[in-house]
Amino acid sequence: KNEVEQSPQNLTAQEGEFITINCSYSVGISALHWLQQHPGGGIVSLFMLSSGKKKHGRLIATINIQEKHSSLHITASHPRDSAVYICAVSTRGYGGSQGNLIFGKGTKLSVKP
Amino acid sequence: EAGVAQSPRYKIIEKRQSVAFWCNPISGHATLYWYQQILGQGPKLLIQFQNNGVVDDSQLPKDRFSAERLKGVDSTLKIQPAKLEDSAVYLCASSSFRDRNEKLFFGSGTQLSVL
Repeated sequence: KNEVEQSPQNLTAQEGEFITINCSYSVGISALHWLQQHPGGGIVSLFMLSSGKKKHGRLIATINIQEKHSSLHITASHPRDSAVYICAVSTRGYGGSQGNLIFGKGTKLSVKP
Repeated sequence: EAGVAQSPRYKIIEKRQSVAFWCNPISGHATLYWYQQILGQGPKLLIQFQNNGVVDDSQLPKDRFSAERLKGVDSTLKIQPAKLEDSAVYLCASSSFRDRNEKLFFGSGTQLSVL
């Protein structure tokens, strides 16, 4: 079993729909990252969470440390949101350094106009 | 603020040839990572540097891969000799040392095709 599991693997939505992508992990973490990767593009960090909830524009990320679960929500989805969304967790590092980063396999989102 | 710079953007080589990738992290970022992302998979850590020291290289295939970060700034990743299964995107990322929860910044990656 992978240490970071994402669901769904693929998601197709109509423009305007509310989208949720889920991430579950099985290791101790210091932080959880949500990343966005466009085709042929690099990776952009959307959020880094260690507790609670963060919001940026139409994107909302939540984390439940006790349940080892995080969700990424996109409100009023748009075709430009089409990308791969990757969940990654930072394991606890030592000496103040950031620990290893473990990635999920990603969720491929396609938003149709 | 300038982002993480990587070059080249694309590279096509034949198997058994050598290749090198370059990364310039964000100024002041002490932590630098090299990741390998095979098509359809999430990135896999190859090596993590803290300044010019190696923190984690447990998943680096040391018989053919090498990386260095002289002076604790720029880094190069080399593959010698390349195999077909090395075809992937090689991503460089950096973060600040001061806060262990500092956000990660990724470069655009180098897409390697081994023929």
